Amino acid sequence: EVQLVESGGGLVKPGGSLRLSCAASGFTFSSYSMNWVRQAPGKGLEWVSSISSSSSYIYYADSVKGRFTISRDNAKNSLYLQMNSLRAEDTAVYYCARNAPGANYFDYWGQGTLVTVSS
Amino acid sequence: AIRMTQSPSSFSASTGDRVTITCRASQGISSYLAWYQQKPGKAPKLLIYAASTLQSGVPSRFSGSGSGTDFTLTISCLQSEDFATYYCQQYYSYPPWTFGQGTKVEIK
Repeated sequence: EVQLVESGGGLVKPGGSLRLSCAASGFTFSSYSMNWVRQAPGKGLEWVSSISSSSSYIYYADSVKGRFTISRDNAKNSLYLQMNSLRAEDTAVYYCARNAPGANYFDYWGQGTLVTVSS
Repeated sequence: AIRMTQSPSSFSASTGDRVTITCRASQGISSYLAWYQQKPGKAPKLLIYAASTLQSGVPSRFSGSGSGTDFTLTISCLQSEDFATYYCQQYYSYPPWTFGQGTKVEIK
């Protein structure tokens, strides 16, 4: 069974940093591109960042470019999102999501971790 | 970036109703469209990909159609567990991957 479990969320002050993790199991993690998608309270879904299976290709939304860094450790079956210079508008539930095999929609999602940026 | 627009944003329906949600892309995306269902406090769940292919395990009352710029998600006979918010997503041109703003289906 595919499982994605996020952790690392919490309350942080504006300008602060946070590192999110996503632990994957039930599939060959190293074979799949992975993504972070966020959802602000009461709002819709916003794609944040993507990383290919071997980390060769990395993409960011303009809203986080230069502040967030996506990475992965295939030996640990883990995905990460380093978030720096956090702003109030980064407050959201952050989901990790797997790319479908050979495609670019997202077939499995974690339960999410809440990041709150507030003074 | 390709903009995805869903309509309506919300509506009320009764169990047993046939409901249709529309998603329009700002430019042609062939059939590179997915639909997701999200219940309150839960992660999105993939329902349909390639505009009309049902994800494994999704009930057959869900169906998708369309290509190019106009797409629909239809629930043929609404069940109580279908009350949720639905999102479309294009994966034709990326980054960025873009979602519609969501359509909330509420109980009448």
